[in-house]
Amino acid sequence: GAVVSQHPSRVICKSGTSVKIECRSLDFQATTMFWYRQFPKKSLMLMATSNEGSKATYEQGVEKDKFLINHASLTLSTLTVTSAHPEDSSFYICSASRGLAQETQYFGPGTRLLVL
Amino acid sequence: AQRVTQPEKLLSVFKGAPVELKCNYSYSGSPELFWYVQYSRQRLQLLLRHISRESIKGFTADLNKGETSFHLKKPFAQEEDSAMYYCALATGGGNKLTFGTGTQLKVEL
Repeated sequence: GAVVSQHPSRVICKSGTSVKIECRSLDFQATTMFWYRQFPKKSLMLMATSNEGSKATYEQGVEKDKFLINHASLTLSTLTVTSAHPEDSSFYICSASRGLAQETQYFGPGTRLLVL
Repeated sequence: AQRVTQPEKLLSVFKGAPVELKCNYSYSGSPELFWYVQYSRQRLQLLLRHISRESIKGFTADLNKGETSFHLKKPFAQEEDSAMYYCALATGGGNKLTFGTGTQLKVEL
């Protein structure tokens, strides 16, 4: 149990376009979902925390108008990279938890974004 | 602000040798620490958490508040232990994770 999927697994887009990445909890209800960004050979950096039905909480330095997060249901959160530029190229990973105290986060497989 | 430090980017050991992956943290509150593992071409998954005080796949980790450390240990390394290991600190009520930079463990025959 506790499987999280991401779609797409890989996307290539032109500079200036917007890209949407989906994160789904397949067999549990995810009250809270997290979005991370991972640079090559670097750690995961938390971008934002989203709770179902409310606005996402962004980490310092993350542009909320650039990275739009929607968590409209207990099984789906989306991250939209708006007007993507080459510097947005990265590996984006989501995780989901039931939102209980000390609850484990379950990670998706990640989405590789390449902006040309 | 909280911080997690993993000083080794790469740790190479021979099969059967003991393994210790170092993790130090900085946090003013009560720490909750985890080790996550990422095997080749797989997603990140939880290995163990300090509050469980359990051994998973032969690995253990003890929280040392005096030294602010949470080192991961295994007495005898196996080839299948080769992976990327991340130490993580939970804050914000236990749900927000701060990750270290990770240590690549390579177990050689």
